[in-house]
Amino acid sequence: QKEVEQDPGPLSVPEGAIVSLNCTYSNSAFQYFMWYRQYSRKGPELLMYTYSSGNKEDGRFTAQVDKSSKYISLFIRDSQPSDSATYLCAMSGPTGNQFYFGTGTSLTVIP
Amino acid sequence: GAVVSQHPSRVICKSGTSVKIECRSLDFQATTMFWYRQFPKKSLMLMATSNEGSKATYEQGVEKDKFLINHASLTLSTLTVTSAHPEDSSFYICSASRGTDTQYFGPGTRLTVL
Repeated sequence: QKEVEQDPGPLSVPEGAIVSLNCTYSNSAFQYFMWYRQYSRKGPELLMYTYSSGNKEDGRFTAQVDKSSKYISLFIRDSQPSDSATYLCAMSGPTGNQFYFGTGTSLTVIP
Repeated sequence: GAVVSQHPSRVICKSGTSVKIECRSLDFQATTMFWYRQFPKKSLMLMATSNEGSKATYEQGVEKDKFLINHASLTLSTLTVTSAHPEDSSFYICSASRGTDTQYFGPGTRLTVL
């Protein structure tokens, strides 16, 4: 079983839609949870970072961590064409320097 | 804050030559730096993990004599692709971490070997 599972998509939504991106994981010891956005031919950009369980909101983006279900989500409200990218989830902790990435979900927001 | 730069952003070289890619953390000290390779429309593939002053730890299947990694300081790591061949053409991305909490990625280097 992979440490992190992420549906690769592709996901296509109309502009203005609410997007839900998800990852599941198997290691209950993970404590740090991240979402990255990667545009084509660019390095991943850190979008959201959450420690342990709970929600975190930043503008149109909300990250949610449910440690009991080993499930994390990223919600994008009022999606824009500029949100079209690949979204990667990642997690780590509690010790060491190993990070585990999902395979990424490709999102297209249609104007 | 937490900016990572990579140089060059794009390089074209002849088969058999060596290419060096630099990764710098500009505004923080990185205890660990990572090197990834990415093929078009594919996910990140971790190549190696390096800590400052230590030998890099390579992932299974990555030739350490071909992909030389040096992490000379807390802000600089280099990846040298030795005796490059066309199959080494790829997008190489570095990242830097201050600990276990998160990684910050560089913009990537596109290598084309003719």
